[in-house]
Parts: sequence; C-alpha cells; structure tokens
Amino acid sequence: QKEVEQDPGPLSVPEGAIVSLNCTYSNSAFQYFMWYRQYSRKGPELLMYTYSSGNKEDGRFTAQVDKSSKYISLFIRDSQPSDSATYLCAMWGTNAGKSTFGDGTTLTVKP
Amino acid sequence: NAGVTQTPKFQVLKTGQSMTLQCAQDMNHNSMYWYRQDPGMGLRLIYYSASEGTTDKGEVPNGYNVSRLNKREFSLRLESAAPSQTSVYFCASSQRENTEAFFGQGTRLTVV
Repeated sequence: QKEVEQDPGPLSVPEGAIVSLNCTYSNSAFQYFMWYRQYSRKGPELLMYTYSSGNKEDGRFTAQVDKSSKYISLFIRDSQPSDSATYLCAMWGTNAGKSTFGDGTTLTVKP
Repeated sequence: NAGVTQTPKFQVLKTGQSMTLQCAQDMNHNSMYWYRQDPGMGLRLIYYSASEGTTDKGEVPNGYNVSRLNKREFSLRLESAAPSQTSVYFCASSQRENTEAFFGQGTRLTVV
C-alpha cells in the first residue's frame, strides 16, 4: 500500500465550478503538506505549502489539512480553463524521510 | 531567471547505450534531486544531494549514478540504458532538504 493515495481522476468540470482535490496518507510522521500544479509537458510548480492541521487560503485556492483523519484537500473556487493541469500532493516530516508525492489528479476545466 | 535548466529536452537511446542528463540551477540552492515520472506512478525519487559533496539513493536508484559536480550542477548517468528506463526525468532543487522544490522542464527519454 502506498504511503500517499491521491484521487486518480481524471476530473472534468465546467468553468466556474468549485473543485475538490484530495489525498490520504498513512504515515503519521508527515507534518508538511504541499500541492504542486503541473501543466502538460512542463515541470511541477509549487502552489500551496502548509504545516500541520488547518486551512490556508491564497486567492481562489484553499489548502485544508486534517491530521486526525490523515486527509488533505485542495479547493479551487471559480475554476478557470487555465486551471486545467495535473495536481500533485506531496508531504514530508522530520522523521519521515524525503518528500513523498501522490500520483496526481488531472483536472480539465471546460469553458 | 533561468531557475533549473535540464539538457537535453529529448533523447532516444538504443538498449545498452549510455548517456548523462545534465542539470544546473542558478538559485544558490543547497539540495538537488532527480525524479522520474511515469504514467500512473507519480514522481519517484532516483537520487538526491542534500548538500554539495553528498549524494544518497532515493526510491528507485538501480541502473543510475549521479554526480554533484559543484553547488550548481547535478548530473544523472545511465550506464547501460534499458527500455524500462523510458520515462520523463525531472531535476529539482530546494534551499534545504524538503523545502519548496523548483523543477526543471524535464527530459523525455525513450530507450528502444
């Protein structure tokens, strides 16, 4: 069983929809949680970086961490066609080795 | 700023050939990484260098070697390429281990 499981998708939504992307994990040592966005044929770029439980908001993006449930989410409000990409969750902890990535969820936002 | 630069962008190799993938960063980062990305398998860490002068194995090191040439450059070598090494390879760097990683554009490698 993988340490990090990500909803496989693909996900297709109409423009303006609220999108929820999710990851679960099994290693309780994970403390830091990241979301990367990867456009087709490009390298991943960091979107959100959070520590421990709670919410973090940046514009239309909200990252949510629930350590008790070992569950993290990325919400995208008012989704745009430019949000069409693959989203990767990643996490690490001081006692959990290197960053571990989820397999990614591909999102398509249709105009 | 260039960020993380990988060369080449595309490569086709025959089974058994060798090649070196080059990576350079201009952000004065201490840590550098090599990943491979395969469909449905996400990013898997091949090797990393926590700081200049050190290298360590990641999740899938077999068939690869690395060199941290200096603080800027981190190369990945395939000594005898196999079809199973067909993949997209990404180099990344970060200020310290496990902080925000900046990725290059990737090298698409096909081994026939």
